[in-house]
Amino acid sequence: NAGVTQTPKFQVLKTGQSMTLQCAQDMNHNSMYWYRQDPGMGLRLIYYSASEGTTDKGEVPNGYNVSRLNKREFSLRLESAAPSQTSVYFCASSEGDPQTNYGYTFGSGTRLTVV
Amino acid sequence: TQLLEQSPQFLSIQEGENLTVYCNSSSVFSSLQWYRQEPGEGPVLLVTVVTGGEVKKLKRLTFQFGDARKDSSLHITAAQPGDTGLYLCAGASAGGTSYGKLTFGQGTILTVHP
Repeated sequence: NAGVTQTPKFQVLKTGQSMTLQCAQDMNHNSMYWYRQDPGMGLRLIYYSASEGTTDKGEVPNGYNVSRLNKREFSLRLESAAPSQTSVYFCASSEGDPQTNYGYTFGSGTRLTVV
Repeated sequence: TQLLEQSPQFLSIQEGENLTVYCNSSSVFSSLQWYRQEPGEGPVLLVTVVTGGEVKKLKRLTFQFGDARKDSSLHITAAQPGDTGLYLCAGASAGGTSYGKLTFGQGTILTVHP
């Protein structure tokens, strides 16, 4: 019962470096999401994918790109990391599309520090 | 952009006390969810409320969705140290281009002292 698996758990980058955060779910969920969590600001949506083959911007997409590789995997890429991207990143999935009010299952997060 | 205001931001109480966390917005939501998050982990869904005025109970936790579907509350009776954590409310947009996607409140950090 793995649920949503995120890798890596921790990462330190230098400004300007690139990296990809990986996310995989084994629940056959249609929708997947990337959020960032910063102190006092709750969770903010970066990108989401309502189904395999589609992706859309969320609230804070600048500086990020995503790929829905298949139904299981949804990756988040930082092309040129900036200190403002220091955050905890969460991947989530849900059974239906965003309109169906299903609860989200979250991964355990990636703590990213950009120096 | 829809906003969810959660209050209080911090709550420190003694074991056995009751507490209420509020989640308010000027926007209408199609549903509202409550999550609990522990340090180093992702949020875990506690409940989803869909109908205006709906009340759901989960052991000592009572969740209510406002009649107009703009607000919600979480009430914990006889809090225990195991209830310690970050509580997040999240509303699913009822219309427009953000239809269905969740907007999260800032969270309430609850500490229950033995």
